[in-house]
Amino acid sequence: AQSVAQPEDQVNVAEGNPLTVKCTYSVSGNPYLFWYVQYPNRGLQFLLKYITGDNLVKGSYGFEAEFNKSQTSFHLKKPSALVSDSALYFCAVRSGSGNTGKLIFGQGTTLQVKP
Amino acid sequence: GAGVSQSPSNKVTEKGKDVELRCDPISGHTALYWYRQSLGQGLEFLIYFQGNSAPDKSGLPSDRFSAERTGGSVSTLTIQRTQQEDSAVYLCASSFPLTSGGDYFGPGTRLTVL
Repeated sequence: AQSVAQPEDQVNVAEGNPLTVKCTYSVSGNPYLFWYVQYPNRGLQFLLKYITGDNLVKGSYGFEAEFNKSQTSFHLKKPSALVSDSALYFCAVRSGSGNTGKLIFGQGTTLQVKP
Repeated sequence: GAGVSQSPSNKVTEKGKDVELRCDPISGHTALYWYRQSLGQGLEFLIYFQGNSAPDKSGLPSDRFSAERTGGSVSTLTIQRTQQEDSAVYLCASSFPLTSGGDYFGPGTRLTVL
């Protein structure tokens, strides 16, 4: 069965420091991987995706993620965190063939960036 | 509007009543998804539409839940005889799969069953 794990419920970083939010996955075949962010009382916003190609993908708001096939990981990173980055982050994998089918989400990681 | 819209934004109902939740996807998006989000369960998939057909209904928790999509556009999620455990935020998302992009989520409907 396909699954996604986010091992940290919360990540705390100081503003200006680099941040990493971890994600590991278990899928059969080639994964379609996504990161979403959710601000309080808002819907999910798409940050970035990995489909194929370069293992380092860049997304919105200065975020990037590194796909590592051997470690089955897709960690979200940002070189310099902002207080405004504080939110709930979800990693997800597409369950169907190609880019169709439901998203399977991790449990979510709360990112807290302190001034 | 350019985004996915959902209505109502909030719904409070009494146990045993039926509710209808509406989703207006982005124009041209052929795929439409319903999820629900609750504190204890995280983000749960409910149903997936491609056009007007639903190839994956595996997430619907019981036969009290149903959904339809008409004209390849608007979708309605209906919950009959609501129970307190149905209280959650119901999220709708749409996408155009051929673009290999992400799904666009609506703001959600917060359902509270008293």
